[in-house]
Amino acid sequence: NAGVTQTPKFRVLKTGQSMTLLCAQDMNHEYMYWYRQDPGMGLRLIHYSVGEGTTAKGEVPDGYNVSRLKKQNFLLGLESAAPSQTSVYFCASSSNSERQFFGPGTRLTVL
Amino acid sequence: GESVGLHLPTLSVQEGDNSIINCAYSNSASDYFIWYKQESGKGPQFIIDIRSNMDKRQGQRVTVLLNKTVKHLSLQIAATQPGDSAVYFCAENLINAGNMLTFGGGTRLMVKP
Repeated sequence: NAGVTQTPKFRVLKTGQSMTLLCAQDMNHEYMYWYRQDPGMGLRLIHYSVGEGTTAKGEVPDGYNVSRLKKQNFLLGLESAAPSQTSVYFCASSSNSERQFFGPGTRLTVL
Repeated sequence: GESVGLHLPTLSVQEGDNSIINCAYSNSASDYFIWYKQESGKGPQFIIDIRSNMDKRQGQRVTVLLNKTVKHLSLQIAATQPGDSAVYFCAENLINAGNMLTFGGGTRLMVKP
């Protein structure tokens, strides 16, 4: 099992550009999550999904959209990137609302 | 302990000593708690968890203690090793009110050889 994988690992964007971050899990988990982590801080939940075809807002959803068209994939989109979205993005998945398994992260810089 | 802004609290211990990392959680109704370890450049890695109907749980070299009266969680690492150097996060969840973990700010553990 690869666990939770994220694509890409690094990305640099210019302000106003758009991009999609891909998260994939091979553990047949129902729940998937997107977090951002800023320097010296904990993780903040952006959006999450409790099953295929469903999504919900987390703590910091503004400026992001998500889709869960397939159970194993959870996509995070930035329609018009801003420097404030420079961060490390982590995806996670879980089989219930308890232990979450995290991916290796995507480091995004918006210039 | 908890951090604010860019400055993580740091715990520095000698190799072989025991480490205790503390966490104050926010919601008295939370019924599930978890500790993660995050090494530089990597994603958080599960260490140990505990439900609110317990006050202590032990794993391999790690123990989590839960004090619901004062909303306090601690992680004890026995015989700390250089490989334990990382940032440690606690998180809480209210299981039947959603599927979201709320993370603390993290504590950096530095192990001196």
